[in-house]
Amino acid sequence: QSVLTQPPSVSAAPGQTVNISCSGIRSNYVSWYQQFPGTAPQLLIYENHKRPSGIPDRFSGSKSDTSATLVISGLQTGDEADYFCGTWDPSLRARIFGGGTKLSVL
Amino acid sequence: QVQLVQSGAEVKTPGASVKVSCKASGYIFTSYRISWVRQAPGQGLEWMGEISGDNGKADSAQKFQDRVTMTTDTSTRTVYLELRSLRSDDTAVYYCARNRASFYFDYWGQGTPVTVSS
Repeated sequence: QSVLTQPPSVSAAPGQTVNISCSGIRSNYVSWYQQFPGTAPQLLIYENHKRPSGIPDRFSGSKSDTSATLVISGLQTGDEADYFCGTWDPSLRARIFGGGTKLSVL
Repeated sequence: QVQLVQSGAEVKTPGASVKVSCKASGYIFTSYRISWVRQAPGQGLEWMGEISGDNGKADSAQKFQDRVTMTTDTSTRTVYLELRSLRSDDTAVYYCARNRASFYFDYWGQGTPVTVSS
C-alpha cells in the first residue's frame, strides 16, 4: 500500500485535458514521473510545478497543502503511460511514491 | 550528458544475495547522492535507500535496513546495491536514480531485473 494516494486510472479523448491527483503529501515539494511499459521512469515535474528541459508545456503541476495535481492538456495517444507522484515523508524519513495512475487516451 | 548504466539481469534462488551496480558518468560523482528504487511486476515504485557519492554515507528505508548494503567506488564512479536473504517477493526491476535536493530524481538508470525463484 502506497503512502501517497493516486487514482488507479484516468482516461480522456485526444485533445482533451486530464487531471491526476496525489494526496498525503507532508513536505513542501512533490515531483511527477512518466513511465512507459518496460522503461525507466522519467522526470516530468519537479518542485511542484517546474518542468525539466524538453518536457512540453502541455504538462503542468500544482500543489496545495497536502495534495498535488498533474494536468496534461492537449492529450496525445503518445501520452499513454503510468504517472507517479513522489516526495519526502518526514515522519517516515523516507522518499515515497504514489501507487501510480494509468492514463488511457481513448 | 548524465548517464546511469546498470548491470544486467539476475536470476537468484531464495536465500541468496544479489549485487547490482550503477555506473555514473557526465557529472561530478561526489556532488550527488544516488538512490535505489525497485518496482515489482505490475506494481508501483518503492524507495530502498540512498548513498552519498562523496563520503559513502548511506540511509536505508526501515523495511530494508537489515538486508541491504549500499556502497560506492569513487575510482570507477560506481554505486552498488547488495540485497541479502532474497525472497520471491524481491522479484522486481531495480533502478538507481540521481537525487536532487528538493526530493526528486532527475536521472534514472535503465533498470536491472532481478528474479528470485527456486
